[in-house]
Amino acid sequence: GAVVSQHPSWVICKSGTSVKIECRSLDFQATTMFWYRQFPKQSLMLMATSNEGSKATYEQGVEKDKFLINHASLTLSTLTVTSAHPEDSSFYICSAPPKAGLGHNEQFFGPGTRLTVL
Amino acid sequence: AQSVSQHNHHVILSEAASLELGCNYSYGGTVNLFWYVQYPGQHLQLLLKYFSGDPLVKGIKGFEAEFIKSKFSFNLRKPSVQWSDTAEYFCAVSSSNTGKLIFGQGTTLQVKP
Repeated sequence: GAVVSQHPSWVICKSGTSVKIECRSLDFQATTMFWYRQFPKQSLMLMATSNEGSKATYEQGVEKDKFLINHASLTLSTLTVTSAHPEDSSFYICSAPPKAGLGHNEQFFGPGTRLTVL
Repeated sequence: AQSVSQHNHHVILSEAASLELGCNYSYGGTVNLFWYVQYPGQHLQLLLKYFSGDPLVKGIKGFEAEFIKSKFSFNLRKPSVQWSDTAEYFCAVSSSNTGKLIFGQGTTLQVKP
């Protein structure tokens, strides 16, 4: 099946710094990628839809200036957590559907990135 | 707004017991339904999906789910669970237009050997 990777797998940073998380589709092109956030023992919450060549679409309540998304190529989307604070500590997961026709395709998930802000 | 509700938050079963996890959704249009599994320390994997056709869908590892449109439900079943089925299970709904996945709260399944 299609493979999605994330880097780094975990990161610890100081409060006030910015952290960039990469999401790559390794063997397919993804014009759309999705970013989720998962708190411990909770479900995944969709944060935003990353669109190659255009601006990301954010879900209600997600701060655009806080969580910067850049979909620079058909295989790479990045999420930058700016001026991170302890409450931003979470598990960030990306996903991508490998084919056109978004809703009719399963999404392949990355392994996630554990962010801890001290 | 779309929403997904999973009734069972934590289920404990003995090996060979039968499993049924409830999932109900709320959505005004055509839905695509999924069950994903997250084994400890691993990423989400697709168990099965329903887009159209036969409402009883079979997935990997002996899992199946039944789409009941009148009840807005998509319950997951397995006749006989194994210890290796211990994991977190997520029901999800997607829009055909956007592909966005809306997840339920998740159910933690613990299978005792």
